[in-house]
Amino acid sequence: DTEVTQTPKHLVMGMTNKKSLKCEQHMGHRAMYWYKQKAKKPPELMFVYSYEKLSINESVPSRFSPECPNSSLLNLHLHALQPEDSALYLCASSHHRDRDYNEQFFGPGTRLTVL
Amino acid sequence: DAKTTQPNSMESNEEEPVHLPCNHSTISGTDYIHWYRQLPSQGPEYVIHGLTSNVNNRMASLAIAEDRKSSTLILHRATLRDAAVYYCGTSYGKLTFGQGTILTVHP
Repeated sequence: DTEVTQTPKHLVMGMTNKKSLKCEQHMGHRAMYWYKQKAKKPPELMFVYSYEKLSINESVPSRFSPECPNSSLLNLHLHALQPEDSALYLCASSHHRDRDYNEQFFGPGTRLTVL
Repeated sequence: DAKTTQPNSMESNEEEPVHLPCNHSTISGTDYIHWYRQLPSQGPEYVIHGLTSNVNNRMASLAIAEDRKSSTLILHRATLRDAAVYYCGTSYGKLTFGQGTILTVHP
């Protein structure tokens, strides 16, 4: 199984809502990533988990809260988002974080719209 | 982070080779060079990576300049399924993508 799955595919939320994005992989990878992608732009790294510990936070606002409950699951909790947070949120995984040659496997993303 | 620059778009005909360039003039000696592509409504897909030597795999070839300040992704025979946005990126601890090249393949 070389797949990264993400749910939901689409999410519409108001600025006062709390929602969560979910990501799952069963490849035994120990590094997992969240990226944000605006339209016609490249993915931008948000967070990296290595062995279930947060290793990189790219100065992301606290209204985004990541969680890695186990080595297969990655969540992104959303609260009090702004309309400019509307984007495609991509999850990825790789064998290790500190092996720069490792390829990353991306999920299809969650298309988030904040009203 | 090394800054990468890519042409906004390129066009090719089916079954012809495609050479996609990338400049990464501020790359450091330990940064890997990666290429990913993204089809519409999908997440990025790994294509190839390298450090100093040219690399080949079943999808493509990667030619890295001797000074490592540029690289070229080579698709040997483009197909319609190769139409995508191709991202060049560098990694040292984290992967940073360039702005991407939209590749159009004409039948």
